[in-house]
Amino acid sequence: AQRVTQPEKLLSVFKGAPVELKCNYSYSGSPELFWYVQYSRQRLQLLLRHISRESIKGFTADLNKGETSFHLKKPFAQEEDSAMYYCAPLFSGGYNKLIFGAGTRLAVHP
Amino acid sequence: NAGVTQTPKFQVLKTGQSMTLQCAQDMNHNSMYWYRQDPGMGLRLIYYSASEGTTDKGEVPNGYNVSRLNKREFSLRLESAAPSQTSVYFCASSERPTQGGQPQHFGDGTRLSIL
Repeated sequence: AQRVTQPEKLLSVFKGAPVELKCNYSYSGSPELFWYVQYSRQRLQLLLRHISRESIKGFTADLNKGETSFHLKKPFAQEEDSAMYYCAPLFSGGYNKLIFGAGTRLAVHP
Repeated sequence: NAGVTQTPKFQVLKTGQSMTLQCAQDMNHNSMYWYRQDPGMGLRLIYYSASEGTTDKGEVPNGYNVSRLNKREFSLRLESAAPSQTSVYFCASSERPTQGGQPQHFGDGTRLSIL
């Protein structure tokens, strides 16, 4: 079965500390991979997509096919990074299903 | 710059009542989606519409119906509300069915409570 797991409900760090939000998926193929973010009082929005190999707001995401993981990283967290982060692999099939993880709340303290 | 607009934002229903959640997008997107989000869980797809004139079931379609009224609007109907349908409902749209990096754009959500 296709599944995505974000093991941490809450990740609490201090400003300037490195951040890694974990995401693991179970799938026999190679899904496209996305991270979505929801800041306080804002809509859920796309943060970055693996296919673009981009860095957005200092975040990058590394795909590890062997471990089927797509962890989100930032070397120096900022207070404005505090938000809910959702990992969302896209599994191909009759319909390309975007499966959302349960989310990790990142709290960056001054 | 509205993007995806959902109405209402909040609603309380009694068991057995019916209601329709409205969603409209102004980005000329072809594909639209309805999700529900329950505490401690990710968003789960209820129904989607890959293009105007088509609708298909997602992961959790039971108890819901949808209508793609036109390219802009995609409504979700609860015919006989049940307490298990208490949730936050999100509508989203994308230029094409999500693939090749196409992002989905989300509305603010509708918080629905069924007593």
